[in-house]
Amino acid sequence: QSALTQPPSVSGSPGQSVTISCTGTSSDNRVSWYQQPPGTAPQLIIYEVSDRPSGVPHRFSGSKSGNTASLTISGLQAEDEADYYCSSYTGSSVLFGGGTKLTVL
Amino acid sequence: EVQLVQSGAEVKKSGESLKISCKGSGFTFTNYWIAWVRQMPGKGLEWMGIIYPRDSDTRYSPSFHGQVTISADESTSTAYLQWSSLQASDTAMYYCGRRPSLVRELGIDYWGQGTLVTVSS
Repeated sequence: QSALTQPPSVSGSPGQSVTISCTGTSSDNRVSWYQQPPGTAPQLIIYEVSDRPSGVPHRFSGSKSGNTASLTISGLQAEDEADYYCSSYTGSSVLFGGGTKLTVL
Repeated sequence: EVQLVQSGAEVKKSGESLKISCKGSGFTFTNYWIAWVRQMPGKGLEWMGIIYPRDSDTRYSPSFHGQVTISADESTSTAYLQWSSLQASDTAMYYCGRRPSLVRELGIDYWGQGTLVTVSS
């Protein structure tokens, strides 16, 4: 199975924006994103590339170009410090990216 | 309120069997897929497999096929993950999660709290 590749880490200061990439996705809208703060279960923050579940702040947005999906977090806050994972259904199974650790400086 | 409540932490020895559970409430269990995800210590999420309790349609990740068994009991709204012979490398946190669709990427919208499995050699 093809892998979903994410950068191991990104960082930003409060109020800034950061973008996390996920390469290796299919050409359709099968991408979701999860946030996992330390010691907690993951939480869905984006589905079908750019849709947000209710309760997820508008600061979190998703997009896709070709085979690369992106998660952008605007107006960084301290509580955004967490691991972020992309995921995609491949037609036979589901893949997760390797995860990206976001550090808020 | 939608909830997935997993069974408690387990400490086992290599070669022993184990079955952990994930009980759903607050939703119609048979209308959703239930997924299992592994997270080894300090590592990322790994997709293990998924089951549709209404008809027990089960799909496994190639990495876990033959290594674990996923099952469900619709009468108790409970999904299970089991091993016949644990190995030290099975030490991990295991999460269950609810997925509204298999083919549409609606994601896992609710997660259990996780079950920590520790296997000593």
